[in-house]
Parts: sequence; structure tokens; C-alpha cells
Amino acid sequence: ETGVTQTPRHLVMGMTNKKSLKCEQHLGHNAMYWYKQSAKKPLELMFVYSLEERVENNSVPSRFSPECPNSSHLFLHLHTLQPEDSALYLCASSLTGSTEAFFGQGTRLTVV
Amino acid sequence: AQSVTQPDIHITVSEGASLELRCNYSYGATPYLFWYVQSPGQGLQLLLKYFSGDTLVQGIKGFEAEFKRSQSSFNLRKPSVHWSDAAEYFCAVGTNSGGYQKVTFGIGTKLQVIP
Repeated sequence: ETGVTQTPRHLVMGMTNKKSLKCEQHLGHNAMYWYKQSAKKPLELMFVYSLEERVENNSVPSRFSPECPNSSHLFLHLHTLQPEDSALYLCASSLTGSTEAFFGQGTRLTVV
Repeated sequence: AQSVTQPDIHITVSEGASLELRCNYSYGATPYLFWYVQSPGQGLQLLLKYFSGDTLVQGIKGFEAEFKRSQSSFNLRKPSVHWSDAAEYFCAVGTNSGGYQKVTFGIGTKLQVIP
């Protein structure tokens, strides 16, 4: 248990569905991250929020839409996904000035 | 641009044997270096990190890593592997830029431990 909780743990969705992934931390951290982990590929940083402002958006398709309503919560809204978007989506958080990020257990997403 | 190479995708060792996982990095300045471990169905857990100072870094679960600037390497070692060490190990290089982490991960090395 790292203090970063992701829900749901597993999600199967059709290409026309809209769903959201949720990440929650109560570690007092003020930076939050979304990563995509696909088989045989390095982790890809998708988005970074620092102090509730988006500071990184690494060429992620617009069908992925992040939201950070406060420093404890991070969402990833999904719509009209493609099968190649199937992956493990990991959330992480860190404290400003710290170099250690704490990861959640991930959401295993399957797009059918 | 920073990058990380983990040349071994899959390694098998016997329980009780020693372990070394290789990591080479490319970075323009003094890097922050990390090793993370991921058990099946889990997120990543930090094993150890290097920023500066002593080049031999001790981590959790009996792991250590040595930073060698001349070889651009940060190899992970453990003198005696336990069956519970079977997992995937990720080397990473990064910075703390503007108050948040900017980290590049390697592709990972999957460790299998046989009795």
C-alpha cells in the first residue's frame, strides 16, 4: 500500500463508451502524474499536474482528457478509445522538491 | 534528451544466487537515477535512488546499485536472491524540474527465480 489508490482496477470498454479513471492520494503531495504502461514498451508519461495546474502534456491524443480538481484527486476521462489504447494506466504522486514518486496499483484497461 | 537502456529483457537466476541487472543511461548533466520494482498486478515501488555523493547506494529488500559515471551505468545488485524477488525491474533517469519529476524509464527486466 503506497497511499495512492486507483479505481477501478480493471476496466473493459467499447470504442464508443465514455469512462473515467480515478486516482486519489492523501499523502500531502502536490504533483500528480498519469503514465501508460504497454507491453514491451517503456512507461510513457502522459500528463503531469503540479499544484493543480497541468504542466506536461506529452502529445497525448485528445481522446484522453485529464482533470485535477484538487491536489488529492486526479482523473483521466476516456472517450472513443482505440484497441491500441489497451494498457495499464498508472497514477503517481510526489511532493514538490522531492524526487520520489509513489505509484498506485494501476487500472488495467481493455478496449474492445 | 535523456534515455535509459536495459539490455536484458528477461533474466533467470536460481534462488540464493547473486543478481546483477544492467542499466545504461544517457543524460546531459548529473542525473538522478532510480530503480523501481513492479510485482504482477501492482504499481511501481522505489527500490533505491542516486542523486550525488557515495556512488554505492543501498536500497530496500537488500538491493544496492552502483553509479559509474565513466560507463554511464547504474547496475542493480543483490548478493542472494529470494523467490519473492521475482518481478519486473525498471531503471529510470530524471530530474526534479519546476517542482515535479521528469523521469524516463527503461523497458524493464523481468526476473524469474527458480528453486
